[in-house]
Amino acid sequence: ETGVTQTPRHLVMGMTNKKSLKCEQHLGHNAMYWYKQSAKKPLELMFVYSLEERVENNSVPSRFSPECPNSSHLFLHLHTLQPEDSALYLCASRGTGGSDGEQFFGPGTRLTVL
Amino acid sequence: GQSLEQPSEVTAVEGAIVQINCTYQTSGFYGLSWYQQHDGGAPTFLSYNALDGLEETGRFSSFLSRSDSYGYLLLQELQMKDSASYFCALGGATNKLIFGTGTLLAVQP
Repeated sequence: ETGVTQTPRHLVMGMTNKKSLKCEQHLGHNAMYWYKQSAKKPLELMFVYSLEERVENNSVPSRFSPECPNSSHLFLHLHTLQPEDSALYLCASRGTGGSDGEQFFGPGTRLTVL
Repeated sequence: GQSLEQPSEVTAVEGAIVQINCTYQTSGFYGLSWYQQHDGGAPTFLSYNALDGLEETGRFSSFLSRSDSYGYLLLQELQMKDSASYFCALGGATNKLIFGTGTLLAVQP
């Protein structure tokens, strides 16, 4: 596979469940990002990882826990979510080449919290 | 903080030219990017302005004026496939992006 992939593509979970979102990039990039996209709202940056180190946490509630075990993989662990957390969760990556403003996005995971 | 404002919707006809504006408030940034997102799809990169002026990439051009806190995306020779949402985004440290509110472009035959 090439590019940025995300699994699962769709997820329905209850408020007491624990689940994880997975992102994988095959582009040799060294930075990875999690964004949240809710209806009628801009994409919201959640976390930034650079060289597998978290460099930014954009005031995200602790019920969202990111993990970056290596430069190709990024996870978002979810627990005790709220219905307002229902959204499209997008992963992106960036390398040292290319345009400075360019990130490569995955197709997203559509999350519904019941 | 940072914020970016865009018109919520724009409508144009096939073959026409359309301009999508973006005004922003920020204490500092590296550049302004533009992304396209089709319904249900991933955002895809279109253009980036690090300096003031016009950048041209095929049918798409992007403009930045730092003194006016303003930029725009210009789409020429519109095609039906250009119907999508368009986002401007400010680039900052750690190469993070802060996105605007998005503009839904509807291209009509």
